[in-house]
Amino acid sequence: ETGVTQTPRHLVMGMTNKKSLKCEQHLGHNAMYWYKQSAKKPLELMFVYSLEERVENNSVPSRFSPECPNSSHLFLHLHTLQPEDSALYLCASSQHRDSRALHFGNGTRLTVT
Amino acid sequence: KNEVEQSPQNLTAQEGEFITINCSYSVGISALHWLQQHPGGGIVSLFMLSSGKKKHGRLIATINIQEKHSSLHITASHPRDSAVYICAALSSSNTGKLIFGQGTTLQVKP
Repeated sequence: ETGVTQTPRHLVMGMTNKKSLKCEQHLGHNAMYWYKQSAKKPLELMFVYSLEERVENNSVPSRFSPECPNSSHLFLHLHTLQPEDSALYLCASSQHRDSRALHFGNGTRLTVT
Repeated sequence: KNEVEQSPQNLTAQEGEFITINCSYSVGISALHWLQQHPGGGIVSLFMLSSGKKKHGRLIATINIQEKHSSLHITASHPRDSAVYICAALSSSNTGKLIFGQGTTLQVKP
């Protein structure tokens, strides 16, 4: 139990579908992150939220849309994705934006067909 | 060239062997993480260090700030150690970003 829960664990979607990834943390942290991990590549930071405000967006295509309704929940809304978007999407949280320690969820394995 | 490089990319060992995974970085850092990712995908933090050496059970992590190099050692390796090990450098710049290595895939055979 990592304290950071992601659902679903696996998702297969077509290019015209709309789906959402969910992340929930029970650690009382103020910062939450979305990372993308493609095969054989380093983790890529996508978005950072601090106190429910988006503070970083690393040139992510608009077909990925994050939402942070409160400090415990983070969503990643997906629409009209491409096959190259297939990857493991990891959520993480930390006490504050500048905290050194990250707590990761187990990830959502996304396949776009 | 990545700012954080790991070697080797893949490593196969026999149970009981001593294992070393290396990480070199080219940026200024305030700390360095070693992470473990199991086949299911979840990532667990093993160590965070900014100098010297840390030990936890059979795992040892060292860092040499002058040489910009860190190593993760596993003593008496076991098949359950099979995982991807990721080095991540916490940049000392204002952005304080984590820069990840590409990971080392370790398989320990019984």
